[in-house]
Amino acid sequence: QVQLQESGPGLVKPSETLSLTCTVSGGSIGTYYWSWIRQPPGKGLEWIGYIYYSGSTNYNPSLKSRVTISVDTSKNQFSLKLSSVTAADTAVYYCARVRGPLPAAKYYFDYWGQGTLVTVSS
Amino acid sequence: DIQMTQSPSSLSASVGDRVTITCRASQSISSYLNWYQQKPGKAPKLLIYAASTLQSGVPSRFSGSGSGTDFTLTISSLQPEDFATYYCQQSYSTLFTFGPGTKVDIK
Repeated sequence: QVQLQESGPGLVKPSETLSLTCTVSGGSIGTYYWSWIRQPPGKGLEWIGYIYYSGSTNYNPSLKSRVTISVDTSKNQFSLKLSSVTAADTAVYYCARVRGPLPAAKYYFDYWGQGTLVTVSS
Repeated sequence: DIQMTQSPSSLSASVGDRVTITCRASQSISSYLNWYQQKPGKAPKLLIYAASTLQSGVPSRFSGSGSGTDFTLTISSLQPEDFATYYCQQSYSTLFTFGPGTKVDIK
């Protein structure tokens, strides 16, 4: 059973960089896409971006200038960096595995981490 | 961006009720539509992918239908564990977008 676990600071100061890591267990990070998704308190889900195990990436244009997603296949981990954060970046951050591309389904998120709350505050 | 809308935004229902949630895309997305269930304090859980394919382990009372721009999620007989928020998500574009969610609570 694949499991994902987010880790990183729960409090980040405004203008600094948010850094999170997702550790994948129960399966290899290889041959899949991996994604970050966030959810502000009481609000809906926003896709941040994904990375292929080979390192190619795709980001949400609304965050692209501030986001970097990287992968470390030797550690079965992938990471998120979000720079110049503001209070609007306060959210629960989820990592998830992306199935696809599949002919009939394209992509979907089949395994999720439990999520980690990151608060941006001085 | 492909915008996703859902209706209703919330509904109250009783155990045993048939519940239908609608999701609409701002342009045709073929059948590239997924549904997730989220309970408070928990991560979303995949219910249905490709508009109508039930994810392994998901009870058969959940079903999905639709194509193009209009989709529905149906719960045939609502159970106590089904009270949650439901999100649709499109993957036609690799700028993945989610609907705003439909909260199902107890009448």
